[in-house]
Amino acid sequence: GAVVSQHPSWVICKSGTSVKIECRSLDFQATTMFWYRQFPKQSLMLMATSNEGSKATYEQGVEKDKFLINHASLTLSTLTVTSAHPEDSSFYICSAKDLGGGDEETQYFGPGTRLLVL
Amino acid sequence: GQNIDQPTEMTATEGAIVQINCTYQTSGFNGLFWYQQHAGEAPTFLSYNVLDGLEEKGRFSSFLSRSKGYSYLLLKELQMKDSASYLCAVSDSNYQLIWGAGTKLIIKP
Repeated sequence: GAVVSQHPSWVICKSGTSVKIECRSLDFQATTMFWYRQFPKQSLMLMATSNEGSKATYEQGVEKDKFLINHASLTLSTLTVTSAHPEDSSFYICSAKDLGGGDEETQYFGPGTRLLVL
Repeated sequence: GQNIDQPTEMTATEGAIVQINCTYQTSGFNGLFWYQQHAGEAPTFLSYNVLDGLEEKGRFSSFLSRSKGYSYLLLKELQMKDSASYLCAVSDSNYQLIWGAGTKLIIKP
């Protein structure tokens, strides 16, 4: 149980284009999902907390207008990187809390999406 | 400020035992997590401790001392596939995860 999927797993795009990444909880409902970014050889950096039916909460330094988050259902959150630039190239990982699980605070991670902006 | 400390890198031998330590200073405490992350992959959940003591799950055990702000992950009977980074994370008073930088574990034959 507690499986999280992400799509796509890999994306290469031109500078200036927008990229949408989907995060789905496959066998549980998640009112809260998290979006992380991880640069090579660095730890996870929380970008935003996505709440179903409400606006996302962004961490300091993360541009809301650049990283659009939509959490329209209990099983789906999307992250759109708008007008992507080479410096946005990174490993984007989502996670979700399984509220129906025994350890409600445990976050389960999707497999990640590797973004390369040319 | 909030701080999680763990060693940057450790090396151990296949079949041996290794202990990865994690110390933390956070505003509030709602549990400590250990995750395993293989290179190029997302983290996978290993353990969750919220009370003092040792939790054992097969070859992996995790220990917590809240009074000392200290945890360790113990890996027994090491296998080559255990080569990975091990991330310590603490849930603070707002239930937000504070992440350590991770410990890269290298297993040698």
